[in-house]
Amino acid sequence: DQQVKQNSPSLSVQEGRISILNCDYTNSMFDYFLWYKKYPAEGPTFLISISSIKDKNEDGRFTVFLNKSAKHLSLHIVPSQPGDSAVYFCAAAWTGTASKLTFGTGTRLQVTL
Amino acid sequence: DVKVTQSSRYLVKRTGEKVFLECVQDMDHENMFWYRQDPGLGLRLIYFSYDVKMKEKGDIPEGYSVSREKKERFSLILESASTNQTSMYLCASKRTGSTDTQYFGPGTRLTVL
Repeated sequence: DQQVKQNSPSLSVQEGRISILNCDYTNSMFDYFLWYKKYPAEGPTFLISISSIKDKNEDGRFTVFLNKSAKHLSLHIVPSQPGDSAVYFCAAAWTGTASKLTFGTGTRLQVTL
Repeated sequence: DVKVTQSSRYLVKRTGEKVFLECVQDMDHENMFWYRQDPGLGLRLIYFSYDVKMKEKGDIPEGYSVSREKKERFSLILESASTNQTSMYLCASKRTGSTDTQYFGPGTRLTVL
């Protein structure tokens, strides 16, 4: 039972344009959400997070939006750069648990010149 | 900077062998995690530990065991390796704090022949 889903396995965007990566979840207990970025042969690195008490969090070129009623979050990257090409994982947590994250299946973003 | 290291980047083992994957973190984190990453399946939690000698099963613990004798070290053990355990194994650690991020090691690519 996949509680966190990323329905687009891959996405290709031109440099300078907006990249939008989507994530859906089913467990209404989740109240904290994160995005991780992963390059080949490296471990995932934390990118940005959002608590369920907010609907938007921004950090430089990266913005995460949360729509609790739709159980949907998205990551916007503006403008996209070639160095953003990586696999992006969304993750969800219930802060009442012992630090456990549930990850999505990942979306491979390719930023083309 | 948090540093999570894993004992091997690449490992090749034979079916039936006992395999040890080691993970060490240098930031005095209480919580440590083992995941495996497979194409189309994302990161799946195998086991985690929230304190020395404490462990809890994740989503896919079958065929694995863990050991945490010291705070900084978390070992994943494959008692009798099988070909379906060929995967990328990722270790992570985090402080106890509901919104603290997990920090990942570089991963071990295990191939079981």
